[in-house]
Amino acid sequence: DAGITQSPRHKVTETGTPVTLRCHQTENHRYMYWYRQDPGHGLRLIHYSYGVKDTDKGEVSDGYSVSRSKTEDFLLTLESATSSQTSVYFCAISDIYVASEQFFGPGTRLTVL
Amino acid sequence: QQQVKQSPQSLIVQKGGISIINCAYENTAFDYFPWYQQFPGKGPALLIAIRPDVSEKKEGRFTISFNKSAKQFSLHIMDSQPGDSATYFCAAGPGAGNNRKLIWGLGTSLAVNP
Repeated sequence: DAGITQSPRHKVTETGTPVTLRCHQTENHRYMYWYRQDPGHGLRLIHYSYGVKDTDKGEVSDGYSVSRSKTEDFLLTLESATSSQTSVYFCAISDIYVASEQFFGPGTRLTVL
Repeated sequence: QQQVKQSPQSLIVQKGGISIINCAYENTAFDYFPWYQQFPGKGPALLIAIRPDVSEKKEGRFTISFNKSAKQFSLHIMDSQPGDSATYFCAAGPGAGNNRKLIWGLGTSLAVNP
């Protein structure tokens, strides 16, 4: 987890409220990713970024938005949280020079009641 | 839809035995195949990775075998230890270009009995 922090680490919220998760890296890596992990579904990509202000959708992007205004921070926003978004969220980073090798953060456990 | 199919879903091995996890991919353009290890409450961590120009890569007790013609790769854990008990994920993706997305298997839960 060195060089990648996620905040908050745990959050409980209510349906319909907006939620923002933060990923912060100190590695100056170009690529950043947001995944969710659910039992039986493995890791599913929500959004990723290939540079400041450059983002693209993953396979489960509905209900999520992202922003990256500087290299070190990648924010994931649940615009109106639903119970189906209860999950563990992982941020990952990768460097342009080392293929697709991804390094993961410690995760955020989000519960939507 | 691109997929990476991983098997088995769960695996129980005795201490000292060999653990084998298999993955199959579809996209022949993929040229990077990593394995990740995840302990409960932690993020996945890169264990070992291979490119298709070699058929095998070994790091300590962990070996990746790669069969390009069959589009399959596998992880072998030799002399399995209780500390190896974790969930293992395979993945596949491009090694270059702007699209650095990995396609993930669903994971294998490994339990090594003492």
